Amino acid sequence: AQTVTQSQPEMSVQEAETVTLSCTYDTSESDYYLFWYKQPPSRQMILVIRQEAYKQQNATENRFSVNFQKAAKSFSLKISDSQLGDAAMYFCAYRRGGTYKYIFGTGTRLKVLA
Amino acid sequence: DTGVSQDPRHKITKRGQNVTFRCDPISEHNRLYWYRQTLGQGPEFLTYFQNEAQLEKSRLLSDRFSAERPKGSFSTLEIQRTEQGDSAMYLCASSLTNEKLFFGSGTQLSVL
Repeated sequence: AQTVTQSQPEMSVQEAETVTLSCTYDTSESDYYLFWYKQPPSRQMILVIRQEAYKQQNATENRFSVNFQKAAKSFSLKISDSQLGDAAMYFCAYRRGGTYKYIFGTGTRLKVLA
Repeated sequence: DTGVSQDPRHKITKRGQNVTFRCDPISEHNRLYWYRQTLGQGPEFLTYFQNEAQLEKSRLLSDRFSAERPKGSFSTLEIQRTEQGDSAMYLCASSLTNEKLFFGSGTQLSVL
């Protein structure tokens, strides 16, 4: 069975600094997708970034980038120039190719300090 | 794009009562998902609809749970004879493809 593990329950970062959130996953599949979702206090989850397993290049979306290490089954999220609005729960998620079921980790709460 | 809408936002009920939640997806989205999130956990998959067809139901959903999506538009999730263990946030999401889910703000259920 596929699993997603986020070992950091909480992280803090100073405003304008960089922070990295960790995620590891376990799968025997070769076709899969990885995601980072943000859940602010408003509770509405928003997609931050997505990575296809077959792509070697790490995905980037503005201040957000990932470090995808396929062999190590690691998928970390780097947030650069952290802003107060980045404060939220961040969930790492996995989806096997050709399916619709997402498997989420337990989340990391990010605090941004002014 | 008015987003995914869920109603009610909060629901408090007594054990043994029935509750029903509603989800209105983004209008052109044919895929609809229900997830459950408990404190300190990530969302767990409950069920999936493609149009009006319920294609998968998690074994997390006991016989007390039922979901419908008549005419492939809005969806309802009903819990009969609620138990304290049903207390959670129930999230609805919709999508056009599997590539990006659009989530609602959830319904927070408290069973006393």
